[in-house]
Amino acid sequence: GAGVSQSPSNKVTEKGKDVELRCDPISGHTALYWYRQRLGQGLEFLIYFQGNSAPDKSGLPSDRFSAERTGESVSTLTIQRTQQEDSAVYLCASSLGGRKTHNEQFFGPGTRLTVL
Amino acid sequence: GQQVMQIPQYQHVQEGEDFTTYCNSSTTLSNIQWYKQRPGGHPVFLIQLVKSGEVKKQKRLTFQFGEAKKNSSLHITATQTTDVGTYFCAGRGEYGNKLVFGAGTILRVKS
Repeated sequence: GAGVSQSPSNKVTEKGKDVELRCDPISGHTALYWYRQRLGQGLEFLIYFQGNSAPDKSGLPSDRFSAERTGESVSTLTIQRTQQEDSAVYLCASSLGGRKTHNEQFFGPGTRLTVL
Repeated sequence: GQQVMQIPQYQHVQEGEDFTTYCNSSTTLSNIQWYKQRPGGHPVFLIQLVKSGEVKKQKRLTFQFGEAKKNSSLHITATQTTDVGTYFCAGRGEYGNKLVFGAGTILRVKS
């Protein structure tokens, strides 16, 4: 596709369940970011993948959160034993990466997660 | 680590008034980007500034990058209701690849 896609668009789950969110970046984009955005709040950085480098996991809020990326393609964000405070929109963004001139981030539409 | 601060957090203006949001980095930046997020939408890239002291304009929007490449501003002249949303700055450090976002400024426009 032409843009970043995310699935599912909405996810409702029960407290304690695991969820997996998917991001398909733009083809050729080596950088991929995950953010969490609570209602009315800013972007909370979670994790950053850049090519084959070790990911920057400094934003993951707890060990219940993990993410993987297969090469320079799909990424999945997994939240284990979900809690109500995990309810938010999870945004994925990709960019050309590195220090290229045109390296703006392209955001996906997000996954709205609701934990009951 | 690198931090990007943005003020104000929130601004409510009358249609036709001007609006400015400011962004400050704890370290020198190689470039700074600005994004707009409409209510219910996702952030969309507006512009990138690279050079010290750079000024760029997009219609009623004026973007500036400070001489020291540590601060930036976005100024909107004569706001319109279509300007509502959250404006984010995002900076990339001199030696890193990671883009760090500010907290954003929420703009509301009263008609």
